[in-house]
Amino acid sequence: DTAVSQTPKYLVTQMGNDKSIKCEQNLGHDTMYWYKQDSKKFLKIMFSYNNKELIINETVPNRFSPKSPDKAHLNLHINSLELGDSAVYFCASSQELSAGGSSPLHFGNGTRLTVT
Amino acid sequence: AQSVTQLGSHVSVSEGALVLLRCNYSSSVPPYLFWYVQYPNQGLQLLLKYTSAATLVKGINGFEAEFKKSETSFHLTKPSAHMSDAAEYFCAVSRMDSSYKLIFGSGTRLLVRP
Repeated sequence: DTAVSQTPKYLVTQMGNDKSIKCEQNLGHDTMYWYKQDSKKFLKIMFSYNNKELIINETVPNRFSPKSPDKAHLNLHINSLELGDSAVYFCASSQELSAGGSSPLHFGNGTRLTVT
Repeated sequence: AQSVTQLGSHVSVSEGALVLLRCNYSSSVPPYLFWYVQYPNQGLQLLLKYTSAATLVKGINGFEAEFKKSETSFHLTKPSAHMSDAAEYFCAVSRMDSSYKLIFGSGTRLLVRP
């Protein structure tokens, strides 16, 4: 059983296109995240949702729009793709948002986005 | 604001040798600290975490880390490297008063020579 699953695994597209990445978790977690990993392996948080409510939006261009239809799903839609959007995008989930901070993140296997 | 610094983007050891991956953190409040491992073409997996209980934390695959407040460090060690340990390792910090943001270091690639 895959705990956090993302689709697609690879995404190759041209500049200007619109694309979506889907994420689902079956861990019963309340909080989900999108992270971006660049070519130097640096990981940066993009968004966080808790019980379908947006908690974190880290200075991400408006072309990126997360959507959480329920707390088990967090999708990422990207409009007008640019070359600089090429990266690996990771979905993750954690058990709790409340004060504590000790809940580890469970990551999906990533979506490698290549914009040509 | 919290931050994490990992010294050395690449560490190379021989199989059977000691593994030491360095992590220093900066946080104005007590931190939670984590080590994650990323194998090629996979997501990150939790190795271990420090949450203010014991300062020496044992994780999976024989790894452990020691929290040293005086040195603001959380170095990862393993007594004897195995070929299967070759991967990218990330140190991360979150604050004890807000769990929603995990800040990652830049990662250290561990190479294990036969």
